[in-house]
Amino acid sequence: AQSVTQPDIHITVSEGASLELRCNYSYGATPYLFWYVQSPGQGLQLLLKYFSGDTLVQGIKGFEAEFKRSQSSFNLRKPSVHWSDAAEYFCAVGADYKLSFGAGTTVTVRA
Amino acid sequence: GAVVSQHPSRVICKSGTSVKIECRSLDFQATTMFWYRQFPKQSLMLMATSNEGSKATYEQGVEKDKFLINHASLTLSTLTVTSAHPEDSSFYICSARASTGTSGREQYFGPGTRLTVT
Repeated sequence: AQSVTQPDIHITVSEGASLELRCNYSYGATPYLFWYVQSPGQGLQLLLKYFSGDTLVQGIKGFEAEFKRSQSSFNLRKPSVHWSDAAEYFCAVGADYKLSFGAGTTVTVRA
Repeated sequence: GAVVSQHPSRVICKSGTSVKIECRSLDFQATTMFWYRQFPKQSLMLMATSNEGSKATYEQGVEKDKFLINHASLTLSTLTVTSAHPEDSSFYICSARASTGTSGREQYFGPGTRLTVT
């Protein structure tokens, strides 16, 4: 069975600074991977996804993620954070059409 | 495209009553729908997977008699929480997998339903 680890429970970053959220997965075959963002009381919004091909994936809102098979990682990055990026971020791995989610990382943006 | 709606967005019910939550794919046909539960400050936990016209498959530890799932058509799945208790209070999110596109690997999520049992 697949699993996802997001090592950072909470990250605080200054507005304008860069952001990197870590995600490690465990899965025996080639995974397909997602990053979602959730604002309080809201559903999930897809930021980006990786199925195959180019390991650097561009998403919405200026986010990108890099798939590194050797490290079983799919870290999310943003060069310059905006106050509106404060939210909960979930990494997910898919297999057999099911998704397994990480515990999530809360991002706080300070002025 | 690929919009999923849920109704209601919020519901408050009394302990012992049942409540039904609807999940609809608005602009595509959903081969499979998924129901998740999310406790405050926690991740999404898959409760069950439903395919149109067949019985739902429940994850380990989920009571199928308590959480009734019906997937009556390719655009509608319902989750009924029967004899609700305060511990059933949670945020319930559905998702739908399209029968075509992206090899069916992507799920499209609804906005969620906040259930409060008093």
